[in-house]
Amino acid sequence: KAGVTQTPRYLIKTRGQQVTLSCSPISGHRSVSWYQQTPGQGLQFLFEYFSETQRNKGNFPGRFSGRQFSNSRSEMNVSTLELGDSALYLCASSLAGGLAYEQYFGPGTRLTVT
Amino acid sequence: ILNVEQSPQSLHVQEGDSTNFTCSFPSSNFYALHWYRWETAKSPEALFVMTLNGDEKKKGRISATLNTKEGYSYLYIKGSQPEDSATYLCAFPMNRDDKIIFGKGTRLHILP
Repeated sequence: KAGVTQTPRYLIKTRGQQVTLSCSPISGHRSVSWYQQTPGQGLQFLFEYFSETQRNKGNFPGRFSGRQFSNSRSEMNVSTLELGDSALYLCASSLAGGLAYEQYFGPGTRLTVT
Repeated sequence: ILNVEQSPQSLHVQEGDSTNFTCSFPSSNFYALHWYRWETAKSPEALFVMTLNGDEKKKGRISATLNTKEGYSYLYIKGSQPEDSATYLCAFPMNRDDKIIFGKGTRLHILP
């Protein structure tokens, strides 16, 4: 079974721009969660999508948004990029929502904002 | 403020020795606890999801216990091997419909 895939793997953007990251879950998985990893803050939860609905959300500003499609693929969008948004963005998929199931992580997208 | 604490932050262990480390979480309204292993240049790998007080789970040489009443979980590694070198993270979902909080991790170094 193919694992979780994320595209692109690396991205360089300028302050003020917006970016869209994509995540394709393991086949059959209906939940996709997004995380931000920075050296200072560690791994932080952004949001979880299940059946095309956002189930829960972390403490991030509204510039961070996401969506999930009917095939469970998910996208995350960050608008008006700031230098502090430079991070590794990971997505993870699981069979069902609710964050009590094993999550399988993708390889991540490394975003650099200049 | 909800905190998930892991200790120690870093650990050096001789190859072949056994070790353990701790994850502390709020003991009220327990829902679940996750353990992950994160090797450098790889993605986090799920080790265990623990949901019941007294749970003990095992995967090869790695095992974990859970005490929800006092708010801690231990991860044990028996007979450490070089491939065990990684950061071990625990994560605490606040409940079914809320966010998940990660600890800062325990960085394990296995010395040859």
